Amino acid sequence: QVHLVQSGAEVKKPGASVKVSCKASGYRFTNYGINWVRQAPGQGLEWMGWISVNNGNTNYAQNLQGRATMTTDTATSTAYMDLRNLRSDDTAIYYCARGEVLYDAFDIWGQGTMVTVSS
Amino acid sequence: EIVLTQSPGTLSLSPGERATLSCRASQSVSSSYLAWYQHKPGQAPRLLIYGASSRATGIPDRFSGSGSGTEFTLTISRLEPEDVAVYFCQQYGSSPRTFGQGTKLGIK
Repeated sequence: QVHLVQSGAEVKKPGASVKVSCKASGYRFTNYGINWVRQAPGQGLEWMGWISVNNGNTNYAQNLQGRATMTTDTATSTAYMDLRNLRSDDTAIYYCARGEVLYDAFDIWGQGTMVTVSS
Repeated sequence: EIVLTQSPGTLSLSPGERATLSCRASQSVSSSYLAWYQHKPGQAPRLLIYGASSRATGIPDRFSGSGSGTEFTLTISRLEPEDVAVYFCQQYGSSPRTFGQGTKLGIK
């Protein structure tokens, strides 16, 4: 069975950083990219960016303004999303999803990680 | 970027009825790179349809997708109680990928 299992909920203060993990199982990790998507309360889904697990290439959404960094560890089949200088409007459920930067639907998603930013 | 607008926002139907969900794009979706997902609270979203009309692995044939260009439809032919969820569309042919805001489907 193919799974993406994410790390647990986080509560952070404004200005802090958060690192969410996404552990893959049931398939060859290096054969697929990983995307990150978030959903703020009452809002729609927002694509944040993509990383090629094969070569580390990345593509980020413009509005993240360099605050996000996506990485992978092929030894543990884990992808990471690091978001810095957190603001209250970063409060959201964060999802990882398997797929390439374009031309691929997301066939496998993680269960989501709630990140709350509050003073 | 391509804006996807879904309608209706909320839909409530009886078991056995047909549900028709719409997704309209602000510009033509390249090569019908349009997907539909089912999202239940606390669960990972589930891919239903890709390429506008192809069912993903394991998806019952009650679910079907159609459309091209700027108009797309997800049809659930015979509603079952387990179909209660939010359904959202996604275009993945133009950067950045974008999502519709979702249709919340309930059962009467």
